Amino acid sequence: GNSVTQMEGPVTLSEEAFLTINCTYTATGYPSLFWYVQYPGEGLQLLLKATKADDKGSNKGFEATYRKETTSFHLEKGSVQVSDSAVYFCALRGEYGNKLVFGAGTILRVKS
Amino acid sequence: DTGVSQDPRHKITKRGQNVTFRCDPISEHNRLYWYRQTLGQGPEFLTYFQNEAQLEKSRLLSDRFSAERPKGSFSTLEIQRTEQGDSAMYLCASSTSWRNEQFFGPGTRLTVL
Repeated sequence: GNSVTQMEGPVTLSEEAFLTINCTYTATGYPSLFWYVQYPGEGLQLLLKATKADDKGSNKGFEATYRKETTSFHLEKGSVQVSDSAVYFCALRGEYGNKLVFGAGTILRVKS
Repeated sequence: DTGVSQDPRHKITKRGQNVTFRCDPISEHNRLYWYRQTLGQGPEFLTYFQNEAQLEKSRLLSDRFSAERPKGSFSTLEIQRTEQGDSAMYLCASSTSWRNEQFFGPGTRLTVL
């Protein structure tokens, strides 16, 4: 079945540091890929998405590129802020499915 | 746009009791999903509806769980004879069938004592 693996956290960075959160997936065909973010005390919010190979999703300074050859969708940000502290979830939706399959989440802590 | 709402936000119950949660999707969304999230894990799919039809159920959804969406608008998730292992955050999401981006509600946190 489909699955998503994320790097374990917590990831602790200083403000303005470069962020990478690794995400790899297992799926048949061409899934759609997503990053969701959960800020403390809030619900899941869609951060960005990519629906086909080599697509780059971007939002709020975050980027991720759909790499079919490495089955990856790593999240990056050039300069993190304290307000980026949250839990980040990588997810996929199968090519012919509707449900989302999530990774376990990565806690990001940004210190000033 | 009021977003997805869920009620109640928190529920504490004793083992063996029945509980019911409600989800109100974004008004023009015809698809509605239920997920369960336990501490330190990502959400796991339970079931989804397109309009009033329940089109997919996970094996996680035991016989004690039932979900309905009678008029294709709000949905309820009922858990009968709750067990301590049912303690989790229950998340609802909605989407349109043509765009299929899922928007999540704040969740209902269930604690079974």
